[in-house]
Amino acid sequence: DGGITQSPKYLFRKEGQNVTLSCEQNLNHDAMYWYRQDPGQGLRLIYYSQIVNDFQKGDIAEGYSVSREKKESFPLTVTSAQKNPTAFYLCASTTSGAYNEQFFGPGTRLTVL
Amino acid sequence: DAKTTQPTSMDCAEGRAANLPCNHSTISGNEYVYWYRQIHSQGPQYIIHGLKNNETNEMASLIITEDRKSSTLILPHATLRDTAVYYCIVRAPGGGSNYKLTFGKGTLLTVNP
Repeated sequence: DGGITQSPKYLFRKEGQNVTLSCEQNLNHDAMYWYRQDPGQGLRLIYYSQIVNDFQKGDIAEGYSVSREKKESFPLTVTSAQKNPTAFYLCASTTSGAYNEQFFGPGTRLTVL
Repeated sequence: DAKTTQPTSMDCAEGRAANLPCNHSTISGNEYVYWYRQIHSQGPQYIIHGLKNNETNEMASLIITEDRKSSTLILPHATLRDTAVYYCIVRAPGGGSNYKLTFGKGTLLTVNP
């Protein structure tokens, strides 16, 4: 089945540690996105990538980093510089078509202790 | 992206039609209206989108007013599994940052037995 996978579903880390969240898609989509969601809030864009080896900052990129070495993969690293990293993180992808919808993964809930 | 306004919450009886309104009075001529929903602790799911004509698919119908300043998502026969937060989003087609979806807080639809 085609889709987006995120792992792990739940992640716990100590304050001050960097952590990398995985996002893989087998939909052959060109563009991939990372969003953050806090309780009772909508989604906010962290980073996005339209093609391999290229990515742009979203609205809340500070304290995060990404890479796009393969079309299928877009990992997100939450660094110690992120002041409030505890959140629900969602990865999405889409084709390059102008009107196409974004497909979302199941999300990773990160808790920093 | 144009801003949208949605009610915070709505209730609907199981088996009845759920009508979710969205106001987007500052929408531009080339911006589409998209609807997504998010079941608790899952990734958002695409529902439908449209420009100015009414649209229907297997999940829902989208009614856009003639002046395009508002729209209504209709779930014709709501089930308990339709309980979710519904997001109304407007964005222009095309590449670059236009791929970004700006999610607000959405409407929590609760379908009651």
